[in-house]
Amino acid sequence: DTAVSQTPKYLVTQMGNDKSIKCEQNLGHDTMYWYKQDSKKFLKIMFSYNNKELIINETVPNRFSPKSPDKAHLNLHINSLELGDSAVYFCASSQVWGTEAFFGQGTRLTVV
Amino acid sequence: QQQVKQSPQSLIVQKGGIPIINCAYENTAFDYFPWYQQFPGKGPALLIAIRPDVSEKKEGRFTISFNKSAKQFSLHIMDSQPGDSATYFCAAGGNAGNMLTFGGGTRLMVKP
Repeated sequence: DTAVSQTPKYLVTQMGNDKSIKCEQNLGHDTMYWYKQDSKKFLKIMFSYNNKELIINETVPNRFSPKSPDKAHLNLHINSLELGDSAVYFCASSQVWGTEAFFGQGTRLTVV
Repeated sequence: QQQVKQSPQSLIVQKGGIPIINCAYENTAFDYFPWYQQFPGKGPALLIAIRPDVSEKKEGRFTISFNKSAKQFSLHIMDSQPGDSATYFCAAGGNAGNMLTFGGGTRLMVKP
């Protein structure tokens, strides 16, 4: 069983489109995150959700919006996609905020 | 603001060598220091972690050395193998409300 699963694994789309990436964790964790990994491999946290409450929202454009229907899911919705949004997006979860995080396999987003 | 600085960016060693990756942090409130290993096309996976109450932790061939006064910690890989070739990330966080912040990553290549 995959602990943290995200879909799709690859996403190619045109500028201006709206897209969503789904994430589910079966670990029973209380906190979920979205990270962005750029072409230089740098991992930057975007959002963190704890019990359906947004804890962190870094300086991320408001075109990005996390949506958590329940504790096990944290989806990422992106409006009006731009070329610079191309990256690998990772979902992760942890039992306690700021500690051991388990990552999904990533979604490679390419905006053309 | 980069709160966790990691070096070197890349490292090449021969099989059996002992690569050492270093990290320095700024926020003294951090109390959890993990290392993650990432293979191409995969998400980061927790390798080993340390709390500041100890100066060293070993798990198999992987050792973390921690220097609280210097705010530095490092990863040593004993008897490195070609299968250890991956990108390694240090991170810092903790359950005192500190988000898990990653270093910039080190791309390690172990030559046969």
